[in-house]
Amino acid sequence: AQKITQTQPGMFVQEKEAVTLDCTYDTSDQSYGLFWYKQPSSGEMIFLIYQGSYDEQNATEGRYSLNFQKARKSANLVISASQLGDSAMYFCAMREQNRDDKIIFGKGTRLHILP
Amino acid sequence: NAGVTQTPKFRVLKTGQSMTLLCAQDMNHEYMYWYRQDPGMGLRLIHYSVGEGTTAKGEVPDGYNVSRLKKQNFLLGLESAAPSQTSVYFCASKIAGAVSYEQYFGPGTRLTVT
Repeated sequence: AQKITQTQPGMFVQEKEAVTLDCTYDTSDQSYGLFWYKQPSSGEMIFLIYQGSYDEQNATEGRYSLNFQKARKSANLVISASQLGDSAMYFCAMREQNRDDKIIFGKGTRLHILP
Repeated sequence: NAGVTQTPKFRVLKTGQSMTLLCAQDMNHEYMYWYRQDPGMGLRLIHYSVGEGTTAKGEVPDGYNVSRLKKQNFLLGLESAAPSQTSVYFCASKIAGAVSYEQYFGPGTRLTVT
């Protein structure tokens, strides 16, 4: 069965430092995709980044990059030069092919950026 | 472009009451999804639809019904609310196919059942 695991319930990081949020996944499919979403205290879900399982390069979007290690089944989110506005809950999620693009979410990591 | 909107934003129900949550999207997306978010649980899929007139069960469908009579609207119904249905409900939509896999989320509805 497909599964997403985020082992860090909470993290505290000093402003301007880089942050790595861990995500491991389990799937039997060869074709799948991995997402990261951000949920600030206001509650909305904000899409950050997507990585397809066949993408050769790690996905990057501005200060966000996804460190995709297929053999280890990990898809860690790296935030460079963290800012106070990065304080939020972060969810890793996975899409499996041919399942109506349904995605499953991990339980999230709450990130606190300290000034 | 409003994107994905949800009505209402907040609601308090008594046990046994019924209600309908409305999700509307103006992006002409084929796929729509309803999730619930509980503390420490992430988001879990309740029901979803891959097109007008179609619906399917997700991970936690019990106690909920849905309808997709129009492409832009996806309704989530609670026939007899229970305290276990206290949650934040999110609707999402996406375009069909591999153009983009991003799901666009509405702002959420906070439901309390007493």
